[in-house]
Amino acid sequence: GAVVSQHPSRVICKSGTSVKIECRSLDFQATTMFWYRQFPKKSLMLMATSNEGSKATYEQGVEKDKFLINHASLTLSTLTVTSAHPEDSSFYICSAVLTMNTEAFFGQGTRLTVV
Amino acid sequence: AQTVTQSQPEMSVQEAETVTLSCTYDTSESDYYLFWYKQPPSRQMILVIRQEAYKQQNATENRFSVNFQKAAKSFSLKISDSQLGDAAMYFCAVSRRGSGTYKYIFGTGTRLKVLA
Repeated sequence: GAVVSQHPSRVICKSGTSVKIECRSLDFQATTMFWYRQFPKKSLMLMATSNEGSKATYEQGVEKDKFLINHASLTLSTLTVTSAHPEDSSFYICSAVLTMNTEAFFGQGTRLTVV
Repeated sequence: AQTVTQSQPEMSVQEAETVTLSCTYDTSESDYYLFWYKQPPSRQMILVIRQEAYKQQNATENRFSVNFQKAAKSFSLKISDSQLGDAAMYFCAVSRRGSGTYKYIFGTGTRLKVLA
């Protein structure tokens, strides 16, 4: 199957700083990628849809200025958590689809800890 | 609103036995897909099985099969001959169209324990 690589797998940052998470589709072009947040023992909550070459579409309740998403190329989307606070600590997962209505391929996830 | 409900937070099954995980969903879309994903301790999401809503035939993938009841909006997963490696969180998901793309909405998950 298609491979989606997410980096870093773990990151610890200080409160008030920003951290960037990368999501790459290694062997296919992804016009659309999705970013999720997963709390411990909870489901995946869709944060935003990342569209190559255009602005991301955020789900209701997700702060656009807090979670900056950039999809500059067909193989790379980035999520930047700005001015991070301890409550932003979570597991973030990206996914991409080959074409509509096919399975989504997921990155390995990033565990963010804000201290 | 689109919703996916998994009413079983946790299930246990003896090795080699069969277990069924429940999922119900609500969508107003006529065109949608249903999925079961597995999340082992590594937290890597892995597709288990997929069902197109327009197909009446239940999807099957080796030891995994679904019981898709469209009118009831039910989509259960049956795991036959359970193996220790099947132990994981299982998420039911529906993909729905939104702003020209298909978004995935996930249920709350069922933790499956496989007993040796």
